[in-house]
Amino acid sequence: QVQLQQSGAELAKPGSSVKISCKASGYTFTSYYISWIKQTTGQGLEYIGYINTGSGGTNYNEKFKGKATLTVDKSSSTAFMQLSSLTPDDSAVYYCARPYRPVQSHFDYWGQGVMVTVSS
Amino acid sequence: DIQMTQSPSLLSASVGDRVTLSCKASQNIYKYLNWYQQKLGEAPKLLIYYTNSLQTGIPSRFSGSGSGTDYTLTISSLQPEDVATYFCQQYNSWPLTFGSGTKLEIK
Repeated sequence: QVQLQQSGAELAKPGSSVKISCKASGYTFTSYYISWIKQTTGQGLEYIGYINTGSGGTNYNEKFKGKATLTVDKSSSTAFMQLSSLTPDDSAVYYCARPYRPVQSHFDYWGQGVMVTVSS
Repeated sequence: DIQMTQSPSLLSASVGDRVTLSCKASQNIYKYLNWYQQKLGEAPKLLIYYTNSLQTGIPSRFSGSGSGTDYTLTISSLQPEDVATYFCQQYNSWPLTFGSGTKLEIK
């Protein structure tokens, strides 16, 4: 069965970076993109962007350019998102999700989410 | 960015009720509209895609409709396990955007 298994919760200091992972199983990894979504109580669900798992090509929501960097390791069927120059506003739950079709589509599978807390 | 406005933000209904949730886009999204259910502490789960297509495994009491800027998710007979927050999402334009959610409670 299709699964997206994300890494564990992160506690980070302001100004630092974190890198969270999303390991896919149950399907051909390079046949589907991986998207990333941020969820906070205040701002709700925000779309960060996607990575083409075959080519490594990326596209970011303008709001997250310079904040998020998406990468992929095809050998381990894992996608990564690095968040840099962290501020308390980056505290959120971050989900990876699989879009059914490239770029613009519905998300048929989601990871369980990673809670990132930014605090000194 | 396309703004997605959901109403109401909180809905309380009785088991067996027919429930209707609304989602309005700031511009025409040509039916490129999905609905998700999120239970407390869980990831969102796809219910409906492209306005009215039921995702595999989702009970038939869930249905979607709409066009242009106005969309609706209907639960024909509310069940206790339907307690959750429901989000709409448009994918007509970049960036993809989500509504702020409707929290559904049992009265």
